[in-house]
Amino acid sequence: EPEVTQTPSHQVTQMGQEVILRCVPISNHLYFYWYRQILGQKVEFLVSFYNNEISEKSEIFDDQFSVERPDGSNFTLKIRSTKLEDSAMYFCASNPDRGLEAFFGQGTRLTVV
Amino acid sequence: AQSVTQLDSQVPVFEEAPVELRCNYSSSVSVYLFWYVQYPNQGLQLLLKYLSGSTLVKGINGFEAEFNKSQTSFHLRKPSVHISDTAEYFCAVSDGDTGFQKLVFGTGTRLLVSP
Repeated sequence: EPEVTQTPSHQVTQMGQEVILRCVPISNHLYFYWYRQILGQKVEFLVSFYNNEISEKSEIFDDQFSVERPDGSNFTLKIRSTKLEDSAMYFCASNPDRGLEAFFGQGTRLTVV
Repeated sequence: AQSVTQLDSQVPVFEEAPVELRCNYSSSVSVYLFWYVQYPNQGLQLLLKYLSGSTLVKGINGFEAEFNKSQTSFHLRKPSVHISDTAEYFCAVSDGDTGFQKLVFGTGTRLLVSP
């Protein structure tokens, strides 16, 4: 069964460093998303991406964040200068069309020290 | 903006007992509703969804949920739980008018099943 793949599963980085989280969505999907879940809290929407551009972003998704689909298969989330409060589980999701549910990856746990 | 309320942060229950996890959402003309399960140290797995049609939807692992538009609720039920059902359960909604652009999640309910 096709699945969304995220790498790495766990990343530790120092405060102020740049980090790139990688996702490979399901191949025929068109809509891509990043969500995050701070430990013990709810899952929060960060950004949605369609047709090579951001379609919607939340207040959390400030100038420190960016997304890219560099090669038609990968979908990346970059945090330019990490802060302690960026520590969270980051989930990538994709779906094939509007009106259909999204499939989530297993997540990347980011720890900023 | 859409919002989701899961009033119960934790629900303890004995094995083989029935369980209901409550979810209420803010009103909208049309919505898509979902329940996801998250086992410890794992990602989100879709349990079931309501997009349209029958208000009673059945999902995986014996779970079902009922969409109640008048009460803006989408409660999750299982007639007999197993130890393996211990997990965090998230209710989520997306705006049916604009299509599946993003999910808004509730704060989650931790189901604790004991022998």
